[in-house]
Amino acid sequence: RKEVEQDPGPFNVPEGATVAFNCTYSNSASQSFFWYRQDCRKEPKLLMSVYSSGNEDGRFTAQLNRASQYISLLIRDSKLSDSATYLCVAFPGNTGKLIFGQGTTLQVKP
Amino acid sequence: ETGVTQSPTHLIKTRGQQVTLRCSSQSGHNTVSWYQQALGQGPQFIFQYYREEENGRGNFPPRFSGLQFPNYSSELNVNALELDDSALYLCASSLWGLGSYEQYFGPGTRLTVT
Repeated sequence: RKEVEQDPGPFNVPEGATVAFNCTYSNSASQSFFWYRQDCRKEPKLLMSVYSSGNEDGRFTAQLNRASQYISLLIRDSKLSDSATYLCVAFPGNTGKLIFGQGTTLQVKP
Repeated sequence: ETGVTQSPTHLIKTRGQQVTLRCSSQSGHNTVSWYQQALGQGPQFIFQYYREEENGRGNFPPRFSGLQFPNYSSELNVNALELDDSALYLCASSLWGLGSYEQYFGPGTRLTVT
């Protein structure tokens, strides 16, 4: 079983739609979580940090459920520019290691 | 822009050769982590350097080695290159020790081994 699992998609949604990505992690000792966005052939860019039960930044909301070892990312009012791969990341905390999921691909269409 | 730089951008090497990749961290950061990203996969942790010492290592063989310099820049060395080493190599910069664990990535070096 992978340490961080995501549905790879692709998710194809129309502009303006709300879309949610789910992610599960296996290491219950993980302290912090992140969502990164990665455009094709580019580096991952930090989208959101999740240190407690959740975080919200504009159209983006992340929620953490430690009991179920589950993190989600909700994107409201999708824009064409949101098309990218979204990487779910767990940080166990004992070293500097970030554990990445495979990524979920989002395609927003006009 | 994160302020993290990497060189070179692209590299083509032959199986069995050795390669050195370089990374300059963001100003004010003291830690550099290296990741390997194969096509269609998430990045895999290679190792992290903090205060010029290795601070954690992923599941990579000893032919992957690194250095951190007093100015916090870092090198990743790979010996005896194999075809499976073809990937995007990413370095990430962070400030270790103040309770924030966010890492910021450079643009990567795309390595092709033939």
